[in-house]
Amino acid sequence: QKEVEQNSGPLSVPEGAIASLNCTYSDRVSQSFFWYRQYSGKSPELIMSIYSNGDKEDGRFTAQLNKASQYVSLLIRDSQPSDSATYLCAGSNTGNQFYFGTGTSLTVIP
Amino acid sequence: GAGVSQTPSNKVTEKGKYVELRCDPISGHTALYWYRQSLGQGPEFLIYFQGTGAADDSGLPNDRFFAVRPEGSVSTLKIQRTERGDSAVYLCASSLTLWGQGSEAFFGQGTRLTVV
Repeated sequence: QKEVEQNSGPLSVPEGAIASLNCTYSDRVSQSFFWYRQYSGKSPELIMSIYSNGDKEDGRFTAQLNKASQYVSLLIRDSQPSDSATYLCAGSNTGNQFYFGTGTSLTVIP
Repeated sequence: GAGVSQTPSNKVTEKGKYVELRCDPISGHTALYWYRQSLGQGPEFLIYFQGTGAADDSGLPNDRFFAVRPEGSVSTLKIQRTERGDSAVYLCASSLTLWGQGSEAFFGQGTRLTVV
């Protein structure tokens, strides 16, 4: 099993809908989790970080972490066409090594 | 500078040549990371520095790859005897302290390396 796994998609949602992105991780990843957004040809930019179980909200974005089930998710409310991008999930281990998933491609349809 | 700066933005080199990729982190950031991203894949860890020392270089694929950060700021990733499989976008990131320990990492725009 890879350290961090994501469904590569593509995921399509209509404008205004909720987009749900999911990520699972292995026992080798245990500490901190991050969601990055990457537009085509651009570098990843940080959207959310989450360190403890539960939900963390920031504007239209909510990150959810469940350590018992080893998954982390990102919800995007009121999706906009500008949210269309690849979303990368990343997690760290105790050795401060960070692992990325392959990314989920999201398209928001106007 | 305001962000992480990587040069060159694009590099085309012939198979077997030596290349150097430069990363200038955000001023004051002590941790610096190198990643490699192939098309359709997530970034793959190569090495990270805490200050001048390589704290973890376990991601370097082989001994053709080497990185330095002599003064704890700018870092150079060096690739000897390049191969076509080295073609990828090389990303650099920096964080104020160790990424994940209350500190977040910011990425540069990357260097697109093409080996022909």
